[in-house]
Amino acid sequence: AQSVSQHNHHVILSEAASLELGCNYSYGGTVNLFWYVQYPGQHLQLLLKYFSGDPLVKGIKGFEAEFIKSKFSFNLRKPSVQWSDTAEYFCAVKYNNAGNMLTFGGGTRLMVKP
Amino acid sequence: DSGVTQTPKHLITATGQRVTLRCSPRSGDLSVYWYQQSLDQGLQFLIQYYNGEERAKGNILERFSAQQFPDLHSELNLSSLELGDSALYFCASSPGPSDTQYFGPGTRLTVL
Repeated sequence: AQSVSQHNHHVILSEAASLELGCNYSYGGTVNLFWYVQYPGQHLQLLLKYFSGDPLVKGIKGFEAEFIKSKFSFNLRKPSVQWSDTAEYFCAVKYNNAGNMLTFGGGTRLMVKP
Repeated sequence: DSGVTQTPKHLITATGQRVTLRCSPRSGDLSVYWYQQSLDQGLQFLIQYYNGEERAKGNILERFSAQQFPDLHSELNLSSLELGDSALYFCASSPGPSDTQYFGPGTRLTVL
């Protein structure tokens, strides 16, 4: 079965620290990749997406992610986090042979201490 | 604000009951998706509609059904509710059947 893994369930950082959240997915042919963020009490918002082309993708709020095909990974990074980045982050994969449904990872809760 | 609206925001009901959750997609979007977010199962895809037709089905229970109306809004019907159905139900929409999905604020269902 197709699956997405986010190995870090909880991450605590101080402001200005660098962030990297891991995301790995199981093989399933060509994929589109997404990172969504869920701020406390709010809905899922799209941070960035990868469909094709440059494997280094830049998103909103200073986030970026790198698609490494050989490692089936799509890690999210931010050079310097802010308190306002406290949220839950979800990696999602669309397997192109399985329609447009998104398969989500379990999420990573990020807490940034001021 | 993604432009996807969901009502109600919160719903509290009893086991065995039936409820209807409503979703209005972003203006111009023809495709609607339903997802369930629970503590034990995480975020799971339930079903997709495109322009009124069912397009894809995920792990949706037989007690659950959905439809998309001619005005493109969608309803998710949950019947014979069980405690384990308590969850956040998200609707998402996209312009076409294979485009990026934008999520609504969710409906929090509590079954007592």
